[in-house]
Amino acid sequence: DGGITQSPKYLFRKEGQNVTLSCEQNLNHDAMYWYRQDPGQGLRLIYYSQIVNDFQKGDIAEGYSVSREKKESFPLTVTSAQKNPTAFYLCASSKNRGMGQETQYFGPGTRLLVL
Amino acid sequence: QKEVEQNSGPLSVPEGAIASLNCTYSDRGSQSFFWYRQYSGKSPELIMFIYSNGDKEDGRFTAQLNKASQYVSLLIRDSQPSDSATYLCAVIPSGNTPLVFGKGTRLSVIA
Repeated sequence: DGGITQSPKYLFRKEGQNVTLSCEQNLNHDAMYWYRQDPGQGLRLIYYSQIVNDFQKGDIAEGYSVSREKKESFPLTVTSAQKNPTAFYLCASSKNRGMGQETQYFGPGTRLLVL
Repeated sequence: QKEVEQNSGPLSVPEGAIASLNCTYSDRGSQSFFWYRQYSGKSPELIMFIYSNGDKEDGRFTAQLNKASQYVSLLIRDSQPSDSATYLCAVIPSGNTPLVFGKGTRLSVIA
């Protein structure tokens, strides 16, 4: 089955700790995205990548970092500089940019909680 | 800032009625429009997309696009309690910019 997987489902972070959220896709999609969703809020874009070894900041990149070493994988690190990391984190992918190819499909999400 | 606006709701409709969800967007050059459904605690799932002015139907769902008015809507016919969820409108703006999401409208279908 093709799809997007995210792990872990729940993640607990201690003060001052960096944590990494995993996102893997086997859809052969070029573009991948990370969003943050707070309760009762919409999706806010953290980072996105349209091609391997390249990525761009979204609207709320401060306190986060990413890498895109493989087409299938786009891990997100929440650093200690992110002072309010508690949220639902969603990874998405799309075939590419361009009409008809930019539809985004989402993974199941990771819920990050601060201890 | 390229914005997508939705009424947060909740929108309550009786079972079997038509639910009408609305969305406006600020960038007149936007080309692609999407509706996602998100159940509580779950990730968004694509309902449908629309590119051209007019209506697009898929089962009980109809998307309507009016680019002149910068308005896109989603109609759900014969609403069921299982349709109760938050519906997210999303738009691809002009330029090399990713999808922009509205904050969503919460729909409650009352049995």
